Amino acid sequence: GAVVSQHPSRVICKSGTSVKIECRSLDFQATTMFWYRQFPKKSLMLMATSNEGSKATYEQGVEKDKFLINHASLTLSTLTVTSAHPEDSSFYICSASLGTYGSGEQYFGPGTRLTVT
Amino acid sequence: QKEVEQDPGPLSVPEGAIVSLNCTYSNSAFQYFMWYRQYSRKGPELLMYTYSSGNKEDGRFTAQVDKSSKYISLFIRDSQPSDSATYLCAASTDSWGKLQFGAGTQVVVTP
Repeated sequence: GAVVSQHPSRVICKSGTSVKIECRSLDFQATTMFWYRQFPKKSLMLMATSNEGSKATYEQGVEKDKFLINHASLTLSTLTVTSAHPEDSSFYICSASLGTYGSGEQYFGPGTRLTVT
Repeated sequence: QKEVEQDPGPLSVPEGAIVSLNCTYSNSAFQYFMWYRQYSRKGPELLMYTYSSGNKEDGRFTAQVDKSSKYISLFIRDSQPSDSATYLCAASTDSWGKLQFGAGTQVVVTP
């Protein structure tokens, strides 16, 4: 199956700082990437849909100025949590889709655990 | 009401038993159905991907979709302790669109 990587796998930052998380599709080009947030023992909550070369589409209730998404190439999308606060602590997971170039399966990265102190 | 409903479990079965998981959904526009396995503190891993109604088998895993009753199932034969994980069902209206996830069912296979 397709491989998606995320970096870093874990990050601890102080309140008020910004954190950037990278999502890369390693062996395929992803026209669409998705960013999710997951709380302990909960399902995945879609935050935004990222298409290469265009602005991300955010889900209702997700602050676009706080969670900046950039999909600069067909293999890289980044999520920047700006002015992080303890309530932003969570497990962030990205997924990548072959989109119209494939049958549409989404492949997930290993996740990034963010802790804001 | 969530678009995809899934019992969170936990579901405990002895090693070698068949694990039966299911989800129901409300959106009749869903055409693509997936099952993911997620180990603790890891990203979800795609297990099965199905388009429309029917059955699909891959090794010990069988996925079923019944669009008439809006019901999707995953069966795991000859379960192993390594199958202990959370299983998430998901559905989508487009082949490339966003997924609607169920809550995930925690499965524990005891030796």
